[in-house]
Amino acid sequence: GESVGLHLPTLSVQEGDNSIINCAYSNSASDYFIWYKQESGKGPQFIIDIRSNMDKRQGQRVTVLLNKTVKHLSLQIAATQPGDSAVYFCAENTNVEYGNKLVFGAGTILRVKS
Amino acid sequence: ETGVTQSPTHLIKTRGQQVTLRCSSQSGHNTVSWYQQALGQGPQFIFQYYREEENGRGNFPPRFSGLQFPNYSSELNVNALELDDSALYLCASSTYRGYISGLAGVPSHNEQFFGPGTRLTVL
Repeated sequence: GESVGLHLPTLSVQEGDNSIINCAYSNSASDYFIWYKQESGKGPQFIIDIRSNMDKRQGQRVTVLLNKTVKHLSLQIAATQPGDSAVYFCAENTNVEYGNKLVFGAGTILRVKS
Repeated sequence: ETGVTQSPTHLIKTRGQQVTLRCSSQSGHNTVSWYQQALGQGPQFIFQYYREEENGRGNFPPRFSGLQFPNYSSELNVNALELDDSALYLCASSTYRGYISGLAGVPSHNEQFFGPGTRLTVL
């Protein structure tokens, strides 16, 4: 499948610190990328997106960086809070005839220590 | 909350049985996508429905099938269940708006809103 591994990497950070979550994508033709947050028992929740003609986009407390040369995405969370604890996925957008499908990365567990 | 609902929340079936999962899309959304999320992995695209027809399919066998109804709600059916079908099944709704005006050949990117999922366990 397109997701890899049964054991997700884990990032542990102290409350108030900044977090950086990384993701490698596979399709150099992908033109749109999204970061999702998934809490236990819930579906993925949209955080921020970026188009391939940009290399940086900022939201509220979050920044996404895109490096197309090495097919790499990162999500930066400023002043991480306990409520940020979740699994984070990057997703590439691929177009289908009348819409689009998402290809998800394997995910990273973020644990915030108080 | 996204406004996308799924039922049932949890389901236990035995190998060889058939299952139907249901999804109601967010108001105003005309497209429904289904994803399978195995434990510890990212969601994998099963298929998408638009105008009551399948519109794109991932690497899943024909025993995974679906329907979309005139009110845009959708069903996912899985026949001849296997142990490996145990997973969280996610439904996402979105709106296909066609191509971006003024940009020939550039489809709009339609944000997908996910429901809470149905946890299927096959014994």
